[in-house]
Amino acid sequence: GQQLNQSPQSMFIQEGEDVSMNCTSSSIFNTWLWYKQDPGEGPVLLIALYKAGELTSNGRLTAQFGITRKDSFLNISASIPSDVGIYFCAGQADTPLVFGKGTRLSVIA
Amino acid sequence: EAQVTQNPRYLITVTGKKLTVTCSQNMNHEYMSWYRQDPGLGLRQIYYSMNVEVTDKGDVPEGYKVSRKEKRNFPLILESPSPNQTSLYFCASSLGYRAKKLFFGSGTQLSVL
Repeated sequence: GQQLNQSPQSMFIQEGEDVSMNCTSSSIFNTWLWYKQDPGEGPVLLIALYKAGELTSNGRLTAQFGITRKDSFLNISASIPSDVGIYFCAGQADTPLVFGKGTRLSVIA
Repeated sequence: EAQVTQNPRYLITVTGKKLTVTCSQNMNHEYMSWYRQDPGLGLRQIYYSMNVEVTDKGDVPEGYKVSRKEKRNFPLILESPSPNQTSLYFCASSLGYRAKKLFFGSGTQLSVL
């Protein structure tokens, strides 16, 4: 099936730093989504992107739908301890959602 | 409260002993899906259902069965579990196949000895 390449695989950052992660695909998607999974819980939707070039914010989080429709980026500004978790990108064209393998974020206070 | 409920939360079993993980949603969603999460492999889709009595294989369906007799329930059945099915399982639902917002359950951690 389709695959998404999500990077980095893991990150260790200091509290207050900004974070960037991205997803790329060999296929074109119509929708890009970003989910966060807290430890011991299921993923929760953070941001949904529906148009190429779209830039959407949710508090300290900002995500962009790449112009080529084959990539997406998520930025977290001024990280705090509760940002810890696994972040998943997901893309959809005409098939069920395809998920990236996740970026595990650790925040050092 | 809108939610997807999975049971049990934790399960330890032995090879070959049939088990069922239940999933129920109270949002009248048409689309439901099962995923397994393994370290380094992310979320992989096992089966999905676009409506009652309609189910389809995902990326890793081998060793699993599902049924969708009612809209709200989508149980995952392992007829003869094996150790390689030790994993964290998630059920999810959304309004429709093309609806973007998937709601996830809290997960079932399964260990097959």
